[in-house]
Amino acid sequence: RKEVEQDPGPFNVPEGATVAFNCTYSNSASQSFFWYRQDCRKEPKLLMSVYSSGNEDGRFTAQLNRASQYISLLIRDSKLSDSATYLCVVNMGYGGSQGNLIFGKGTKLSVKP
Amino acid sequence: DTEVTQTPKHLVMGMTNKKSLKCEQHMGHRAMYWYKQKAKKPPELMFVYSYEKLSINESVPSRFSPECPNSSLLNLHLHALQPEDSALYLCASSQGERSVGELFFGEGSRLTVL
Repeated sequence: RKEVEQDPGPFNVPEGATVAFNCTYSNSASQSFFWYRQDCRKEPKLLMSVYSSGNEDGRFTAQLNRASQYISLLIRDSKLSDSATYLCVVNMGYGGSQGNLIFGKGTKLSVKP
Repeated sequence: DTEVTQTPKHLVMGMTNKKSLKCEQHMGHRAMYWYKQKAKKPPELMFVYSYEKLSINESVPSRFSPECPNSSLLNLHLHALQPEDSALYLCASSQGERSVGELFFGEGSRLTVL
């Protein structure tokens, strides 16, 4: 089983739609979870951190389900500017080990007018 | 605008050349990273410096040599690279152990090896 798995998409949605991505992880001891967005030929940028059950920031909601070992990202009222690849990142280790960050392959979102 | 600055943005080099990539951050972060990213793939960790000491080397070939002159600077020295080393090289920083996973990336140096 791959360590961090994401549906690669692409997800093609109209403006204003609600879209959700899932990310599954293999290590039940994983401590913290992150969503990054990466625009084409740009660097990844941190979107949200998830340390407990979830997090909400405006139109974006991340939820963690430890029992089923997945994290979801919900985007409400999609904007054209939300078009990007969304990377799920899982800290598989204990404490502060920087080497245990595992990136998923990303889910591509395309929001159409 | 990113607070992690990388130079050069683009680099073309031959297999016998020696070049360096540079990265700078002034956020007071104590951990700095080099990642390599190929097209349509996620970033792959290469090196981690924590408090200016190399803490992680992910079995990277010796033709890549990292250097951390001080807490704000990170270099990646390149020598005798192969065409398959062509990729986007991303520098990142984080506050340290308490915020592992909250990375600030530079815009990257796009490297082409001929």
